[in-house]
Amino acid sequence: QKEVEQDPGPLSVPEGAIVSLNCTYSNSAFQYFMWYRQYSRKGPELLMYTYSSGNKEDGRFTAQVDKSSKYISLFIRDSQPSDSATYLCAMTDTSGGTSYGKLTFGQGTILTVHP
Amino acid sequence: GAVVSQHPSRVICKSGTSVKIECRSLDFQATTMFWYRQFPKQSLMLMATSNEGSKATYEQGVEKDKFLINHASLTLSTLTVTSAHPEDSSFYICSAATVAEAFFGQGTRLTVV
Repeated sequence: QKEVEQDPGPLSVPEGAIVSLNCTYSNSAFQYFMWYRQYSRKGPELLMYTYSSGNKEDGRFTAQVDKSSKYISLFIRDSQPSDSATYLCAMTDTSGGTSYGKLTFGQGTILTVHP
Repeated sequence: GAVVSQHPSRVICKSGTSVKIECRSLDFQATTMFWYRQFPKQSLMLMATSNEGSKATYEQGVEKDKFLINHASLTLSTLTVTSAHPEDSSFYICSAATVAEAFFGQGTRLTVV
């Protein structure tokens, strides 16, 4: 079993739709949860970062973490064609220092938002 | 956000040759850099953790003699793929972390023919 499971999709939605992306994980030590967006042939860029359980909102993006269920989500409201990319969840189990670089990634979900 | 520059972005080499990939943090010092590998439609897999001035720590299953990592300064880490084979063809991505965030390079597409 992989430490982090993410449905690879692909997911295709019309412009304006609400998109829900999810990951489950097995390591209860994970405390820091991130969502990255990766365009084709590019490195990942950080979208959202949350610590422990709870919700975090940033513009059209909302990240949710449920540690009791080992389940995290990313919601995109009013999706745009420019949101078309691969979305990767990532997590780490330690705090501080440079441990944010040692991440365990999900497989990534390919999202296409069509006009 | 901080900038991590990775070079080259694409490289094609012949089987048996070696390839060097550079990762630079342009506007901050990174005591630790990380090297990931990504196969098509798969996730990023951590290969090694590179600490400035010391030997890299490799993940299980990664051949340290094949993937040589050097972290000579606080802003530069290099990954050398030695005696490359077609199965080494992949997307290699570096990351430099601060106390608050990890920043990724743009990646290097390596094709071994």
